[in-house]
Amino acid sequence: NAGVTQTPKFQVLKTGQSMTLQCAQDMNHEYMSWYRQDPGMGLRLIHYSVGAGITDQGEVPNGYNVSRSTTEDFPLRLLSAAPSQTSVYFCASSYSGANTGELFFGEGSRLTVL
Amino acid sequence: AQSVTQLGSHVSVSEGALVLLRCNYSSSVPPYLFWYVQYPNQGLQLLLKYTSAATLVKGINGFEAEFKKSETSFHLTKPSAHMSDAAEYFCAANMDSNYQLIWGAGTKLIIKP
Repeated sequence: NAGVTQTPKFQVLKTGQSMTLQCAQDMNHEYMSWYRQDPGMGLRLIHYSVGAGITDQGEVPNGYNVSRSTTEDFPLRLLSAAPSQTSVYFCASSYSGANTGELFFGEGSRLTVL
Repeated sequence: AQSVTQLGSHVSVSEGALVLLRCNYSSSVPPYLFWYVQYPNQGLQLLLKYTSAATLVKGINGFEAEFKKSETSFHLTKPSAHMSDAAEYFCAANMDSNYQLIWGAGTKLIIKP
């Protein structure tokens, strides 16, 4: 019963490098999302998807790309990493969206950009 | 702007004492409201949610929250704190969108033995 799986759990990048954070869920959820968590700021939505082939921007999308080619996977791409992107990233999924449905979270990916 | 405010970034209570974590929202229309808990080095998990049914909502691990429209509040309580309750708690609201939650900054609950 895997739920939402994120990889890698930890990553250190140099400024300007690119990388992809992987997210996979096995609950057949249509809704998937990426958040970043910074101390004292709660969670901020980066991008979300309501189904395969459909993505949209959240509150803080700059510097990040997403795609959704399958129901199960929702990778987050950092195009050119900056120190301001040092954060903990969470992937979350839901059967019906964030309004009434429960969000299921992965364990997080801790990214440090030097 | 719509917002969710959690009063107190840290709350410290003794084991066995009442837990009260405060959450206020700004919206003219009652939103859907949620409390999530995050244990150290883990993702968040849902404690409870209010979706316009009963105003007193019971959740997991003995927690409950009461929706008060007149006070625009959704405070989280537990009668008797356990050491295992030490975690960070987040209040969130869905005010006008099917897909986006507005999150509070979080309150770290510290349990003193």
